[in-house]
Amino acid sequence: AQKITQTQPGMFVQEKEAVTLDCTYDTSDPSYGLFWYKQPSSGEMIFLIYQGSYDQQNATEGRYSLNFQKARKSANLVISASQLGDSAMYFCAMREGHGTSYDKVIFGPGTSLSVIP
Amino acid sequence: EAGVTQFPSHSVIEKGQTVTLRCDPISGHDNLYWYRRVMGKEIKFLLHFVKESKQDESGMPNNRFLAERTGGTYSTLKVQPAELEDSGVYFCASSPLTGLSGGYTFGSGTRLTVV
Repeated sequence: AQKITQTQPGMFVQEKEAVTLDCTYDTSDPSYGLFWYKQPSSGEMIFLIYQGSYDQQNATEGRYSLNFQKARKSANLVISASQLGDSAMYFCAMREGHGTSYDKVIFGPGTSLSVIP
Repeated sequence: EAGVTQFPSHSVIEKGQTVTLRCDPISGHDNLYWYRRVMGKEIKFLLHFVKESKQDESGMPNNRFLAERTGGTYSTLKVQPAELEDSGVYFCASSPLTGLSGGYTFGSGTRLTVV
């Protein structure tokens, strides 16, 4: 069963504008973590931001923020002031479990973001 | 601190040949994971080592794939014999035994092309 859904296969955004990349997830475990990764054309996977299921506040890391709506099971990534270098694939991911080190991370299908000058 | 290192970065082999991919995790990271992304598809989990032990190998596609992590340091992933559908990017990631809130650190991946 699909656990991570990213409904936007491709997105365009004007440079300097903000963009929201959608992610919904499915889990029955009360303890989980949510991640966003960026994969530029060069291929490496870059960790962007993390949100724990028990975190009271939405995570922020520089221009990245995670809009965490627990009841709706959504964890959208917001990129403010888009830059040309933000053009990449973006993957939403989840780790289920009880916060142990034995739980694997599973990925969504990804969203391709293109920033237009 | 050195990151997760994978090599080769690219490999082109013929169907039926053998290829071995290597991953050097961040020093001290007991967790090591292998993932694969086949062209245009999702990133799929292959397996997870905790130190030298296989914690979870539920994602290994078939017995043509063999992963090892002798001594709990670097890991190898061997594909023998390779098939066309094995083409894709193979990622390795590592994390410490505790404190997963920072996410895994991924290597740059090995792009495998089977022709």
